[in-house]
Amino acid sequence: GDSVTQMEGPVTLSEEAFLTINCTYTATGYPSLFWYVQYPGEGLQLLLKATKADDKGSNKGFEATYRKETTSFHLEKGSVQVSDSAVYFCALRDTGGFKTIFGAGTRLFVKA
Amino acid sequence: EAQVTQNPRYLITVTGKKLTVTCSQNMNHEYMSWYRQDPGLGLRQIYYSMNVEVTDKGDVPEGYKVSRKEKRNFPLILESPSPNQTSLYFCASTQAKGINEKLFFGSGTQLSVL
Repeated sequence: GDSVTQMEGPVTLSEEAFLTINCTYTATGYPSLFWYVQYPGEGLQLLLKATKADDKGSNKGFEATYRKETTSFHLEKGSVQVSDSAVYFCALRDTGGFKTIFGAGTRLFVKA
Repeated sequence: EAQVTQNPRYLITVTGKKLTVTCSQNMNHEYMSWYRQDPGLGLRQIYYSMNVEVTDKGDVPEGYKVSRKEKRNFPLILESPSPNQTSLYFCASTQAKGINEKLFFGSGTQLSVL
C-alpha cells in the first residue's frame, strides 16, 4: 500500500541555518504531495503542496519539489526562525482522492 | 470563519466508560475523517466518511465507532475505552472530490484512559 517515510527527528538548528527535512513516498498512480505543520497545542495546517511531477510548492519561505524519479518531496528553507519550531508532516493523497497518508512527523527546534 | 471544531479538548476517563468526542465543520465538506496521533507513528486514520450515512474503516478502526447523520457532524464513539486508546485525536474535513484538496483539522482532543 501507499506509504510515506520521513527523516526522524528531532532536528535542532540555530536561527538562520538551512533546513532540509527528507521525505520519500511509495504510491501507485500519481498522488498529490503535501507538507503540513503542527505548532504546539494546535491541529495540523497545510504548509505547501504539489500536485504533479516537477511541481514546486512554496509558502512562508519553505519549498519542496515533487520528484517522481526519486519519489521524494524534501522540505527546505534557507533561513529558519525560532517561530518555525514545530512538527512537520509529509503526506500524500492517493489517486482516488479520498485518503491522506501521513509520515511519522519530524520535530524541529530552532534556537535563538 | 471556516473551521473544524472538536470537543472536548482534554478528556480523562476510566477503562470501560463510554465516551463521545464531537466534531463539527462549517464548510459544507463532504469528506470527514478521524485520526489518532501517537509518538513515532504519525497520524493514523481511524474512520472516514464520504457523505451522510456513508462511513468506512481506516487503518486502525478497532475499538471505535462513528456516525454521520448530518453533513456537518462526525462524532467518534469509544464504547468501552481501554488504556491503549490513550492518544491525541484529530478530526479533519475536506471536499470529497479533488485529489489536490487540503485537509482542515480541528485543534485536537487529548484522551487519557486510566
